[in-house]
Amino acid sequence: GAGVSQSPSNKVTEKGKDVELRCDPISGHTALYWYRQSLGQGLEFLIYFQGNSAPDKSGLPSDRFSAERTGGSVSTLTIQRTQQEDSAVYLCASSSQPINEQYFGPGTRLTVT
Amino acid sequence: GDSVTQMEGPVTLSEEAFLTINCTYTATGYPSLFWYVQYPGEGLQLLLKATKADDKGSNKGFEATYRKETTSFHLEKGSVQVSDSAVYFCALSGGATNKLIFGTGTLLAVQP
Repeated sequence: GAGVSQSPSNKVTEKGKDVELRCDPISGHTALYWYRQSLGQGLEFLIYFQGNSAPDKSGLPSDRFSAERTGGSVSTLTIQRTQQEDSAVYLCASSSQPINEQYFGPGTRLTVT
Repeated sequence: GDSVTQMEGPVTLSEEAFLTINCTYTATGYPSLFWYVQYPGEGLQLLLKATKADDKGSNKGFEATYRKETTSFHLEKGSVQVSDSAVYFCALSGGATNKLIFGTGTLLAVQP
């Protein structure tokens, strides 16, 4: 079946612009995670969604970052007023339940110039 | 807070050599432990996992044993191949969300 998909695969934006990154989880997976992979910080957790519960936003690095998940499926990560330190690969993962294996998408490479 | 420490790379080996990549963790409670692999140009894939002490995870000739007494989860393979060249990440998860906490990754380069 289809895996986790993310779009766009690459995004180049100017400093100060807003960007939206999209994640389509595996159908039926209720848990969805966003992570960030950067040279300086390695792989770090950003935010977690589970069903209709309130998301765990504890990993978001600043209030410029937000995410939503509509209808328990597609998720959008929004970064406002992008900064150069936001340059990274943003990874999305989903699992059928939090305790189960997380399947990762191919990532979106964000470059802020 | 919880954390994972793994040996820095790059690790360069000849084909058929023995591989060990060290990983230790700090965690409250009883986390699950994982090794993920990222092949060049590809996404993260789960390589193996262990969910409780003394469990051994294995896959594709790789093994790792969950050692609670030494808080370790070292990755081993008896005979590496060129196709094993990749970045390997040790990770733990736990708590209500089971979010993954990753080590810094170890680049493995296997030469023919």
